[in-house]
Amino acid sequence: AQTVTQSQPEMSVQEAETVTLSCTYDTSESDYYLFWYKQPPSRQMILVIRQEAYKQQNATENRFSVNFQKAAKSFSLKISDSQLGDAAMYFCASESGGGADGLTFGKGTHLIIQP
Amino acid sequence: DTEVTQTPKHLVMGMTNKKSLKCEQHMGHRAMYWYKQKAKKPPELMFVYSYEKLSINESVPSRFSPECPNSSLLNLHLHALQPEDSALYLCASSQGREGPGANVLTFGAGSRLTVL
Repeated sequence: AQTVTQSQPEMSVQEAETVTLSCTYDTSESDYYLFWYKQPPSRQMILVIRQEAYKQQNATENRFSVNFQKAAKSFSLKISDSQLGDAAMYFCASESGGGADGLTFGKGTHLIIQP
Repeated sequence: DTEVTQTPKHLVMGMTNKKSLKCEQHMGHRAMYWYKQKAKKPPELMFVYSYEKLSINESVPSRFSPECPNSSLLNLHLHALQPEDSALYLCASSQGREGPGANVLTFGAGSRLTVL
């Protein structure tokens, strides 16, 4: 079984600043994937970034990057140069069943961008 | 086509009604999913149809029943629902275990269900 924990129910950041969202996970699998998904008020879940556990290099996608600490089972998301459009619910998730088990989600962090 | 299409976007039904939610993808994905999401909560997995095999979350009541007519469609049939079943229902698909997009779920925009 997998568990994903997000300990920050809500975060607030000034526009153009940098913010880091925390996530820890637990799994007994050796082969797994970690994700950050964004859900804006429009409610569609959008993939932000993906990390394969066997890769040591941290994934990056433009302004979004992760700090993957495998031994600590930590997977934080850093958003640089925050924009108003980044305001959303952010979910950390894990997957290890090759698609057969779906995603295990954390409880989410509500990110507020202050203009 | 890189989308997962869900219809209808909104559905209001009584507790004695029978209705269906539809989900369609044309990305050649081998796995499709239904999730239920209550307000301010993470999505909860209900069903997985992966490589022609259906997996059911045992906590899902029998008033929800999935149907997979073909590899591009995954319907969710609703019967005798309760008000507490009111939620956002999300469909997703993934290409499965292989390739650069392996294990990535693409979500539809959701169907907002209200049970009166």
